[in-house]
Amino acid sequence: GAVVSQHPSWVICKSGTSVKIECRSLDFQATTMFWYRQFPKQSLMLMATSNEGSKATYEQGVEKDKFLINHASLTLSTLTVTSAHPEDSSFYICSAAPPGRETQYFGPGTRLLVL
Amino acid sequence: GESVGLHLPTLSVQEGDNSIINCAYSNSASDYFIWYKQESGKGPQFIIDIRSNMDKRQGQRVTVLLNKTVKHLSLQIAATQPGDSAVYFCAENWGQGAQKLVFGQGTRLTINP
Repeated sequence: GAVVSQHPSWVICKSGTSVKIECRSLDFQATTMFWYRQFPKQSLMLMATSNEGSKATYEQGVEKDKFLINHASLTLSTLTVTSAHPEDSSFYICSAAPPGRETQYFGPGTRLLVL
Repeated sequence: GESVGLHLPTLSVQEGDNSIINCAYSNSASDYFIWYKQESGKGPQFIIDIRSNMDKRQGQRVTVLLNKTVKHLSLQIAATQPGDSAVYFCAENWGQGAQKLVFGQGTRLTINP
């Protein structure tokens, strides 16, 4: 149990385009999901908390207009990187915790390369 | 700001030996701690967790120790196997419920045959 998936697993795009990444909880409902970013050989940094039916909560320094988050259902959150630039190239990972539990389970990640 | 840190960025052990990965945390209010394993190109995988009202918890070949006095967390892996090679992160939960997780810098564990 507690399986989280992401799609796509990797994406290459041109600078200036937008990219959407999906995060799904497969066997549980999640009112809250989390989006992290990880640069090579670095730790995970929380970008934002995605709340079903309400606005996401962004961490300090994360541009909400650049990283659009939509949590339209209890099993799906999407992260859209708008007007992507090479510096946005990174490994994006989502997580979610089953109801009543604190443990966050992570998706397999999405590798984004902006050319 | 407060953060979770690790003493050693890399660790190499012989296959079959035991390994210990350490982590220091600074937020005395943290009440829940998790160890994750991350293989190259993959998302973190849950290994074991511990609450602040405990000082030891055991799983299959893994043990987590928590010393709240010195704000120290460790992960012990017994009889290491090649598949244990990965980066290990400790993370602390700053509040009740699935709220903000703060990750340590990570330790790369290499198991030598």
